[in-house]
Amino acid sequence: EIVLTQSSDFQSVPPKGTVTITCRASQSVTYNLHWFQQKPGQSPKLLVKYASQPTPGVPSRFRGSGSGTLFTLIINGLEPEDVATYYCHQTGTFPYSFGQGTTLDIK
Amino acid sequence: QEQLVESGGGVVHPGMSLRLSCEASGFSFRNYAVQWVRQAPGKGLAWVALISYDGNDKYYADSVKGRFTISRDNSNNGLYLQMNSLRPEDTSVYYCTNVPRLRNSVQVWGQGTTVTVSS
Repeated sequence: EIVLTQSSDFQSVPPKGTVTITCRASQSVTYNLHWFQQKPGQSPKLLVKYASQPTPGVPSRFRGSGSGTLFTLIINGLEPEDVATYYCHQTGTFPYSFGQGTTLDIK
Repeated sequence: QEQLVESGGGVVHPGMSLRLSCEASGFSFRNYAVQWVRQAPGKGLAWVALISYDGNDKYYADSVKGRFTISRDNSNNGLYLQMNSLRPEDTSVYYCTNVPRLRNSVQVWGQGTTVTVSS
């Protein structure tokens, strides 16, 4: 089973700040890694698919990169509505898995 | 409007069964692999099971293997999860969602249905 480990469980960031969330896979998932945002009481929402492909309608401040075992989600210019929990999800090898989640807060 | 709508959740005793349903609309359901993902109260997302676009391949998390069965009916855009021998640790919100494709893809989540297993 592939374990996904996100760089932190919680981050507090100033408004308009830059956020970097890293997701490390215990084995290569090539580019089969997606990023989701989940706000309290809501279903998850896709931000980036296949490591770096943006999702239509998602603000351009969300960017993904990486391959193999190391992936990064960067949020440039944090907005108040970005307060949420962010998850990485691998679909490279069964059983699929999620990272533990990183909750963002604005300072 | 692409949509997935789950139903079938409820409160059951340990050892009992439930069948979850998920109805798709607004997109080509038959072209996507679809999966169930759950979230225990206050916890993160956990992958449960996946079924291929044609229903021929099925995969399960170790925690549910042998107890849960995923199925689909492309003729009525339906996804199902038969859950047997339920345990308290199965208590979660269950979401259905499709696996995004590399190109020309939508990605949809349902609103979730709550399963509570308690004596």
